[in-house]
Amino acid sequence: DQQVKQNSPSLSVQEGRISILNCDYTNSMFDYFLWYKKYPAEGPTFLISISSIKDKNEDGRFTVFLNKSAKHLSLHIVPSQPGDSAVYFCAASHTGTASKLTFGTGTRLQVTL
Amino acid sequence: SQTIHQWPATLVQPVGSPLSLECTVEGTSNPNLYWYRQAAGRGLQLLFYSVGIGQISSEVPQNLSASRPQDRQFILSSKKLLLSDSGFYLCAWSPTGATGELFFGEGSRLTVL
Repeated sequence: DQQVKQNSPSLSVQEGRISILNCDYTNSMFDYFLWYKKYPAEGPTFLISISSIKDKNEDGRFTVFLNKSAKHLSLHIVPSQPGDSAVYFCAASHTGTASKLTFGTGTRLQVTL
Repeated sequence: SQTIHQWPATLVQPVGSPLSLECTVEGTSNPNLYWYRQAAGRGLQLLFYSVGIGQISSEVPQNLSASRPQDRQFILSSKKLLLSDSGFYLCAWSPTGATGELFFGEGSRLTVL
């Protein structure tokens, strides 16, 4: 049972344009959401997070939006840069489970020149 | 600052052979420790987590085991590898009691032939 879903396995965006990566979840107990970025043969690195008490969190070029009623979150990257090319994982957890994150399957972002 | 290191980075093993992957964390005490696996075309799956020495929780039934002989050391083992054990294994840590962000090691690529 995939509780966190990233339905787009890949995405190609031109440099300078906006990248939008989507994530859906089914477990209504989730109250904390994160995005990780992963380069090949490396461990994932934390990018940005959002608590369920918010609907938006912004950090530089990265913004995460949370729609609790739709159980949907998205990551916006503006403007996209070639160095943003990587696999992006959405993850979720809920209070009381320490940091036992449930990850999605990832979306491979390719930023083209 | 805290660092996490896991080894070996790459491992090719025959079916039926044993496995030992090691992970150590520096610069913090009593961390929560995790083993994740990324199989081909799949997300990051939590295999084991530990909140203290000798305390191991298994998330999925499998051919693997984990041990925490010291506070900042986490070991993933198998007595007899299966082909399906191939994948990219990631060790991670989080501060005690934290909800959310995990810090990942560099990963270990295991190929079982």
